[in-house]
Amino acid sequence: DIQMTQSPPVLSASVGDRVTLSCKASQNINKNLDWYQQKHGEAPKLLIYYTNNLQTGIPSRFSGSGSGTDYTLTISSLQPEDVATYYCYQYNSGWTFGGGTKLELK
Amino acid sequence: QVTLKESGPGILQPSQTLSLTCTFSGFSLSTYGMGVAWIRQPSGKGLEWLANIWWDDDKYYNPSLKNRLTISRDTSNNQAFLKITNVDTADTATYYCARNYYDGTYYFDYWGQGVMVTVSS
Repeated sequence: DIQMTQSPPVLSASVGDRVTLSCKASQNINKNLDWYQQKHGEAPKLLIYYTNNLQTGIPSRFSGSGSGTDYTLTISSLQPEDVATYYCYQYNSGWTFGGGTKLELK
Repeated sequence: QVTLKESGPGILQPSQTLSLTCTFSGFSLSTYGMGVAWIRQPSGKGLEWLANIWWDDDKYYNPSLKNRLTISRDTSNNQAFLKITNVDTADTATYYCARNYYDGTYYFDYWGQGVMVTVSS
C-alpha cells in the first residue's frame, strides 16, 4: 500500500504569507495526486487535481506542483478564509489520503 | 447542478450492519467516467477512502476493510449504497459520499454534507 505523509501537521502563518504544504508518497505516484481543503464543520472541497490543475472556481493563489514522490500545495498570499485542514490524496495505486496539514493564522 | 446527500441510521450497536444511502442528482452513474465513492472521517481525525463504484459497475474497496464492505448502486433512482458488516466503535465517524469523476485522472469534485454514525452499546 502507498503511504502519504503530510508535513507539517500544523502550520501557523500570517495573512499575506506565502505558504507551502508538503505531501510525500512512499513510492512514485506519477503525479496522480489531488489536494482537498476542509474547513471546520464542512465537507472537503477539491482544490487541485492531477498535481497542478486548479479546480474551477478556486482562487489562483492556490497552486500545486511535484513529481515522483514529492508534492507541494502553495498558497501565494494567505487569506483568512484559507484557515482549514488540507489533505493530499493519491490514486496511482489504490486510493490513499494523507494525514492532513492544519493551517492556522498566526 | 450536482448534489449528493447521505442518509444512515444515526446510531447502531456493535456487531450490527451499517447501511448507508447516497442519493444524488445532476449526473448519472450510467454515464462514462462517473463514479461514487464513500469516505469517512472519525471526529477530529483524517479522511479514509472506503470504496467506490463506477459507471460500468466496477467496484473497489479499501483493502484494510474489504471483507466488511459492500458497495452497490441503483441507477434508476440515482442512488449508491454502502454496507459495513460487524461494526464496532472504531466505525464511529462522519460518512461522506462524493462524485468520483474519471477523465484520465480521478478526483472527487462534489461531496455530500456527510452523515454522522455512532456505534455504541
